[in-house]
Amino acid sequence: DAGVIQSPRHEVTEMGQEVTLRCKPISGHDYLFWYRQTMMRGLELLIYFNNNVPIDDSGMPEDRFSAKMPNASFSTLKIQPSEPRDSAVYFCASSPGGATGELFFGEGSRLTVL
Amino acid sequence: LAKTTQPISMDSYEGQEVNITCSHNNIATNDYITWYQQFPSQGPRFIIQGYKTKVTNEVASLFIPADRKSSTLSLPRVSLSDTAVYYCLVGDMEYGNKLVFGAGTILRVKS
Repeated sequence: DAGVIQSPRHEVTEMGQEVTLRCKPISGHDYLFWYRQTMMRGLELLIYFNNNVPIDDSGMPEDRFSAKMPNASFSTLKIQPSEPRDSAVYFCASSPGGATGELFFGEGSRLTVL
Repeated sequence: LAKTTQPISMDSYEGQEVNITCSHNNIATNDYITWYQQFPSQGPRFIIQGYKTKVTNEVASLFIPADRKSSTLSLPRVSLSDTAVYYCLVGDMEYGNKLVFGAGTILRVKS
């Protein structure tokens, strides 16, 4: 299996622009998570899905952030409009679920907002 | 929501055994304890998981006392390549909102 695939790996954009990050989870995994990592705040859980349904989005910073999972093999995290404080590494992770489900992380998308 | 506390950093030398302890005083009955390793510019990677007593795999051991309020990750004979950040995670996948990472422990292995 190719693992969790994220794109783009790096994105540099200007403040106010729309940013879309993409994730392809491991086939057969029922759970998908979006995390954000910064030096100041560490790894933050933004949102997670179970069987394509958002379960908990309490970690989403504000209305500028939205996430979708239209099918079992694809998810997006969108920021509109972007701000410099959104600069971070965004990780997607998937899991087969169950009480002992292991998280499998992608390599991350490094976002820089100028 | 189970909160974890780990040392901020640890230093070791190659060939030594390293023990990293995580405190999780309000762990719930259904919660499992999982450790992840993260290298720079990579996503965290699963190391080991346990519920109680001791678990061992090819890379580490996990010791969990009877009250489960703490756990210790043991890395035998570390090498320079074990330099990374180690995270303790407490939660139940059935309740994914508990899968919150703490600050982690920066382990530096020196030659």
